Amino acid sequence: GENVEQHPSTLSVQEGDSAVIKCTYSDSASNYFPWYKQELGKGPQLIIDIRSNVGEKKDQRIAVTLNKTAKHFSLHITETQPEDSAVYFCAASINYGQNFVFGPGTRLSVLP
Amino acid sequence: DSGVTQTPKHLITATGQRVTLRCSPRSGDLSVYWYQQSLDQGLQFLIQYYNGEERAKGNILERFSAQQFPDLHSELNLSSLELGDSALYFCASSVDGRDAEQYFGPGTRLTVT
Repeated sequence: GENVEQHPSTLSVQEGDSAVIKCTYSDSASNYFPWYKQELGKGPQLIIDIRSNVGEKKDQRIAVTLNKTAKHFSLHITETQPEDSAVYFCAASINYGQNFVFGPGTRLSVLP
Repeated sequence: DSGVTQTPKHLITATGQRVTLRCSPRSGDLSVYWYQQSLDQGLQFLIQYYNGEERAKGNILERFSAQQFPDLHSELNLSSLELGDSALYFCASSVDGRDAEQYFGPGTRLTVT
C-alpha cells in the first residue's frame, strides 16, 4: 500500500523567513496531494492541495510543488508569521478524495 | 470553523466498554470519513460513507463499526475498548466523496482507562 514520509519532523524558523516541508510517496498511482495544518486542540485544516496533472500551485504565501518522477511534493511557506506555528501534515491518495494516507507530520515553530 | 460538528468533545471510559461518537457533516456534503489520530500511529483513515453507503475502508478494526443515517449524520461505534484505542477521532466531510476536498471536524478525544 501507499507509504508517505515527511521531513523534517520539527522545524524552527525566524519570523519572516521561509519554511519548506518535504514529503515522498511510494505509490506512483497517487493523484491527489493535500496539505493540512493542525493547531493545538483543533482538527486538521486544509490549506492547499495539488493534483497529479499540475506541477505547482500557489495561494498567497503558501505554495506546493509536485515532482511525479521523483514521487515527492513540498510545501513552501514564505514570510512566515507566528500564527503559522502548528503541525503540518501531507497526504497522498490514489483516488482523489478518498483513502488518504498521511505523513507523520512536521511541527513548525515560527519564532518572533 | 469547518462546519463539521462532532460530539462529544471528550469521552472517558473503561476497558471492555462500548462508546458511540457522532458526526454531522457540513451542510450539503454527502460523504463522511472517520480518522483516528494517535501518537504512535499518526493520522489514519478508518472508513468512508457516501449518502448512506459504505464507500471505502481503511485500517478499521473489526471491533469498530460505523454508519451514516438518512439525514447524513454518522456514528462511529467502538466496542470491547482497549487501552490502545485511546486517541483523537476525527470526522471529515466532502461534497461528493470522490473528487472534492475533505473538511475536518474538531474531533472527539477518547480516553480508555
